[in-house]
Amino acid sequence: NAGVTQTPKFRILKIGQSMTLQCAQDMNHNYMYWYRQDPGMGLKLIYYSVGAGITDKGEVPNGYNVSRSTTEDFPLRLELAAPSQTSVYFCASSYSRPSYEQYFGPGTRLTVT
Amino acid sequence: DQQVKQNSPSLSVQEGRISILNCDYTNSMFDYFLWYKKYPAEGPTFLISISSIKDKNEDGRFTVFLNKSAKHLSLHIVPSQPGDSAVYFCAAGYNYGQNFVFGPGTRLSVLP
Repeated sequence: NAGVTQTPKFRILKIGQSMTLQCAQDMNHNYMYWYRQDPGMGLKLIYYSVGAGITDKGEVPNGYNVSRSTTEDFPLRLELAAPSQTSVYFCASSYSRPSYEQYFGPGTRLTVT
Repeated sequence: DQQVKQNSPSLSVQEGRISILNCDYTNSMFDYFLWYKKYPAEGPTFLISISSIKDKNEDGRFTVFLNKSAKHLSLHIVPSQPGDSAVYFCAAGYNYGQNFVFGPGTRLSVLP
């Protein structure tokens, strides 16, 4: 099993550009999440999904969009990139209850200049 | 408004001694707590969890203690090993939800 994979590992964007961060998992998990981690801060939830076709906003959704057309994939779309979106982005997945353990990908480091 | 706080940004411990990492939360409705460990350039990995119906949970060298009245939990690592050097995140959430609030992390350095 590859677990949770994320691409790309690094990306530099200019202000106003758009991009999609890819996330895939091969563990047949229902739940998937996108987090961002700013320096010295904890992970903040951007969006999450409880199954294919179902997504919901987390704590910091502004400037992002998601879709979940399959169980495996959960891409995160950045429209009109801004310097405030410079961060490390982590995708995670988990089973439904009773296990709350989330499996994380290696992260994507994004810089917007 | 930080709902989950880890007030020590860093901690250094000698190999073989006990490491104690602390976490405080403000929302008394939180009833499930997790600890994650993160190495540089990797995603966090799950360590141990505890439900609010317990005050202690052990897994090998790792023990988590929960003090609900103080809204405080701690992670004990005994004995500490150099491979334990990492950033440790505390997370809190609800037993019927899937969303967890993460603290800012504590960087643990275990010195040989």
